[in-house]
Amino acid sequence: EVQLVQSGAEVKKPGESLKISCKGSGYRFANSWIGWVRQMPGKGLEWVGIIYPGDSDLRYAPSFEGQVTISADTSTSTTFLQWNSLKPSDTAMYYCARQWDFFDSSAQIIPLFDYWGQGTLVTVSS
Amino acid sequence: IQMTQSPSSLSASVGDRVTITCRASQNIDNFVNWYQQKPGQAPKVLICGASTLRSGVPSRFSGSGYGAEFTLSISSLQSEDYGTYYCQQSYSAPRTFGEGTKVEIK
Repeated sequence: EVQLVQSGAEVKKPGESLKISCKGSGYRFANSWIGWVRQMPGKGLEWVGIIYPGDSDLRYAPSFEGQVTISADTSTSTTFLQWNSLKPSDTAMYYCARQWDFFDSSAQIIPLFDYWGQGTLVTVSS
Repeated sequence: IQMTQSPSSLSASVGDRVTITCRASQNIDNFVNWYQQKPGQAPKVLICGASTLRSGVPSRFSGSGYGAEFTLSISSLQSEDYGTYYCQQSYSAPRTFGEGTKVEIK
């Protein structure tokens, strides 16, 4: 059974650093892209970025580039989302999700997030 | 690529047919997925490739569209279908989501 288990809720002060994690199991971790999605309080879903653990290939959304760092450790099947200097506007729920490639009737590969972690709530407040 | 959903919210009765629309800012073929999110839960994928129902998703859900306009329909709304529905384009990174449509049961 595929599972993504995220680290627990965090309360931090502005300027502090933070690294949250997402541990995958039940599938070949190194061979599936893992993405991060932000959901600010009462708001919608925002695609943060994605990593291929096998070779650490990365994609970031422009609004998150330089603001966060995504990494992966294949030895522990864990993906990380990291901040060097948190801001109150980073307060949100963060989800990790496994990307799966669906082959449609024309053999096009359509990526989707098929399994999600339970979410990590990050609160940044002085 | 921007994804614009409408309406932002709706309230409907059990048994009603519900339709949610998503428009992309450019042609994205059929690279659209639909997710349902219930309060306090992670999203769950319902439909991929614009019209393919994921395993275990009730057949009252359906998706259609190609190019830049897509719809998610619920043929007969059930009480458990409350939540917020999001479209997502997977044509290119960043794979953006629509703003969401909140569905309430009257």
